Amino acid sequence: RKEVEQDPGPFNVPEGATVAFNCTYSNSASQSFFWYRQDCRKEPKLLMSVYSSGNEDGRFTAQLNRASQYISLLIRDSKLSDSATYLCVVNNRGSTLGRLYFGRGTQLTVWP
Amino acid sequence: GAVVSQHPSRVICKSGTSVKIECRSLDFQATTMFWYRQFPKKSLMLMATSNEGSKATYEQGVEKDKFLINHASLTLSTLTVTSAHPEDSSFYICSARDTRVVDTQYFGPGTRLTVL
Repeated sequence: RKEVEQDPGPFNVPEGATVAFNCTYSNSASQSFFWYRQDCRKEPKLLMSVYSSGNEDGRFTAQLNRASQYISLLIRDSKLSDSATYLCVVNNRGSTLGRLYFGRGTQLTVWP
Repeated sequence: GAVVSQHPSRVICKSGTSVKIECRSLDFQATTMFWYRQFPKKSLMLMATSNEGSKATYEQGVEKDKFLINHASLTLSTLTVTSAHPEDSSFYICSARDTRVVDTQYFGPGTRLTVL
């Protein structure tokens, strides 16, 4: 079983739509959780960390459910510039030197 | 946010030659850096963990003699692809571990390697 599983996508939504991505992780000892964004032919960039209490950054809201080992990302009022691949990422503190485990990514296309 | 640089951004080389890629953390010290490879439309694949002052830890299936890693300082790790072949053509991305606030990683901009 993979460490991190994500919605396969792709998601194609109109501007202004609300879209949600889901992710599950297999290791209950996982400690840190992130959403990264990767544009085509570019490196991943940290979008936001995910905390147990949930956190919000502008139009982006991330939620963590430790009991269900489930992470989500909600994007409100989608913009064309939100088009990218969104990577769910988990850091298992017990793993070697902070290794990150990546989901395969969910592709989002926002159309005008 | 933290900045990680990578050089070169793009390289084209002949089969059989060696290529060195540098990864630098510009505003923080990184005892641990990671090297990834990404093929088109695929997820990042961890190749190895680079540890400052000690040997790198390679993932299963990654040849340590082909992908030489050196992490000589707290801000620099290098990956050398030796005797490159066309199947080594890929997007190589490094990341540096930042433990100052939340344990996370920042990625370099990547190096696109094409082996002819």
